[in-house]
Amino acid sequence: GAGVSQSPRYKVAKRGQDVALRCDPISGHVSLFWYQQALGQGPEFLTYFQNEAQLDKSGLPSDRFFAERPEGSVSTLKIQRTQQEDSAVYLCASSLGQLQETQYFGPGTRLLVL
Amino acid sequence: EDKVVQSPLSLVVHEGDTVTLNCSYEVTNFRSLLWYKQEKKAPTFLFMLTSSGIEKKSGRLSSILDKKELFSILNITATQTGDSAIYLCARGSGAGSYQLTFGKGTKLSVIP
Repeated sequence: GAGVSQSPRYKVAKRGQDVALRCDPISGHVSLFWYQQALGQGPEFLTYFQNEAQLDKSGLPSDRFFAERPEGSVSTLKIQRTQQEDSAVYLCASSLGQLQETQYFGPGTRLLVL
Repeated sequence: EDKVVQSPLSLVVHEGDTVTLNCSYEVTNFRSLLWYKQEKKAPTFLFMLTSSGIEKKSGRLSSILDKKELFSILNITATQTGDSAIYLCARGSGAGSYQLTFGKGTKLSVIP
C-alpha cells in the first residue's frame, strides 16, 4: 500500500474485554513500531520489531499488552482485560531499514474503554 | 525530567504571521531530531535533522538543529489556516531500538 494502515480506526470496549489492533506497514519496511498517545500528550514508545523479531518491548505498560509480527509484515497489538487507563490512540509506524530512519505513521486506532 | 521539551505548548496567530516553534532535547544516545505535523490523523513527517547548523527547507517551513545547545527550531512563514495542527518534535536514539522520544507538541492555531 501507499502508506501505513491501521484497523479498526475506532474501538469501544467494555472494561475487562480483550482487544486486537492491526497494523499494515509500508511494503518492504523492516522496522515496525507501536506507540501510545494519550490525550494532549506526544506519542510514547511501546514496542519495536525488526522483521518478525520483537527486539524491544520495554515500553509496554503491563503484561496485559502483547504484540506480534509473525511473518515480518502485519503486526497485531493485543490488550487483554482492558482498563480505563488504556484509553488512548495507538499509533503504528514503520521505517525502511534497521538504523534510525524516518518513521512513517499510520492514522492510529482510537481506543475508548468504558 | 522530560527528554524532549517543546515550547510554547500552544500558539494562536493570524494568517500571514511568521512563527517559531522550539524543541530542546537530552543528548544521551542522540542520533537525529525529527519534526512531524499532526492533524486529526497520522503524524506527517516534515524534517529529519542530524547535522548542526544546516537548515532544511520545504516551502514555507524550515528547520535547523543546534547540537551544541541541544535544541531545534521549526519556522513557518506566511502562515495559513491549513497550518493549524499540533507540531511534534521527536528525538531519535542511536542505540537500542531506535525508538523516537516525543515532546508534548505545540498546538498551532492560525486564524483568518
